[in-house]
Amino acid sequence: SAVISQKPSRDICQRGTSLTIQCQVDSQVTMMFWYRQQPGQSLTLIATANQGSEATYESGFVIDKFPISRPNLTFSTLTVSNMSPEDSSIYLCSVVGTGENTGELFFGEGSRLTVL
Amino acid sequence: KQEVTQIPAALSVPEGENLVLNCSFTDSAIYNLQWFRQDPGKGLTSLLLIQSSQREQTSGRLNASLDKSSGRSTLYIAASQPGDSATYLCAVFTGGFKTIFGAGTRLFVKA
Repeated sequence: SAVISQKPSRDICQRGTSLTIQCQVDSQVTMMFWYRQQPGQSLTLIATANQGSEATYESGFVIDKFPISRPNLTFSTLTVSNMSPEDSSIYLCSVVGTGENTGELFFGEGSRLTVL
Repeated sequence: KQEVTQIPAALSVPEGENLVLNCSFTDSAIYNLQWFRQDPGKGLTSLLLIQSSQREQTSGRLNASLDKSSGRSTLYIAASQPGDSATYLCAVFTGGFKTIFGAGTRLFVKA
C-alpha cells in the first residue's frame, strides 16, 4: 500500500489569502489526485496531477483558483488561492496503487481548511 | 453518467449487532468498487477493494459483495463495536480514471 503524508493537517485562514497544501508519497506514482470534501458532503475530484505536464482539471475547477505543481513522481502541491468562506473544506490527496494493490485508491489524512 | 447511492444515510445500532450497508450504482461498466472508512475530519482509509471480476472480498469482520449486473454492493460488518463508528463510503472506478463516490453512511455503534 502507499503511505501519503499531507501538510498542513489543518489551518484557519483569512479571506483573500492563499494556502499551499503539500502531498508526499512513499513511492513513485504516475498520477496524483486532489479531492475536495465540503462539510457534510462526499468527495469531489478537483484535478489530476501528472508529472511533467499540466494538471487536468475537472468541470467547475480552474487553474487560477487551484494551481497545482508536480515536480517529481512522489510530491505534489495544491494551492487554494484568494480564499473565501466557501473554500472551507477538507482537501485530500490520493494515489492509485500498483502491484498487488493495482487499482486501489489510497488517501492522505487530509488538510482541513477553515476560512474566516 | 455514473451515480452512486448509499443507503441508509445514517445508522445507529447497539454493540454486537451484525449490520449491512448498501451501495448502488447506475452503470455496471466499472473496473472495481472500493469501500472506505472515514473518521470525522480525517482522510479515507481503504477497507476492501473488489475487482469487477470478483464477487466478494473479506477482511476480518468485514465482508463486501459485488453484483455488477444489478449495480449493487453490500458491506457486511459482523459483531459491531463502538470503534466501528465512522462514515463508510463506497466508490466505483470507471473508465478514464474517474472514481465516483457515494455520499456515505454514518454509522454509530452504541456501547
